[in-house]
Amino acid sequence: GAVVSQHPSWVICKSGTSVKIECRSLDFQATTMFWYRQFPKQSLMLMATSNEGSKATYEQGVEKDKFLINHASLTLSTLTVTSAHPEDSSFYICSAPRGGGGRSSYEQYFGPGTRLTVT
Amino acid sequence: SQKIEQNSEALNIQEGKTATLTCNYTNYSPAYLQWYRQDPGRGPVFLLLIRENEKEKRKERLKVTFDTTLKQSLFHITASQPADSATYLCALDSTDSWGKLQFGAGTQVVVTP
Repeated sequence: GAVVSQHPSWVICKSGTSVKIECRSLDFQATTMFWYRQFPKQSLMLMATSNEGSKATYEQGVEKDKFLINHASLTLSTLTVTSAHPEDSSFYICSAPRGGGGRSSYEQYFGPGTRLTVT
Repeated sequence: SQKIEQNSEALNIQEGKTATLTCNYTNYSPAYLQWYRQDPGRGPVFLLLIRENEKEKRKERLKVTFDTTLKQSLFHITASQPADSATYLCALDSTDSWGKLQFGAGTQVVVTP
């Protein structure tokens, strides 16, 4: 099956610093990737849609200047948490769907997640 | 706005029995519904997808039903094993854009020997 990787798997940073998380599709090209955040015992909350060659689209309430997304190639999307604060501590997960356009039904392949802790 | 509900209480079940999970949704008519498994500290793993015109789908010991009238999906794990212990998430597609999914909060399943 398709594999999506994330790096790093966990990171601890100090408040006020920035952290970059990479998401790679290893055996397929992904023009679209999704970034989620998950707090303990809660569901995955979609943060933004990463589009190769164009700007990311953010969900309501997600600060685009704080969570910078760059879809550098057909296999790589990065999420940078800028000026991180303790409340940004969470589990960040990316996913990439396979398949064509339109309202088609394709499963998503998720990365293993990145645990961010801001001290 | 669309809402997805899954039983928040953990489902404790004995090995060999069938586990049945429920996913209810409102204010939406999805083209398809998906079920994922998530282990602690890991990303979700795709299990099954069922389309709006399908009543039932099976994969090995897993079975999913989809009732668009009731706006409900049932997820069954037959002959459950301790290795099936995990949180199971249902997800619906979105009309906003391709591939965008909305997830339920998930139901934890604990299978005891």
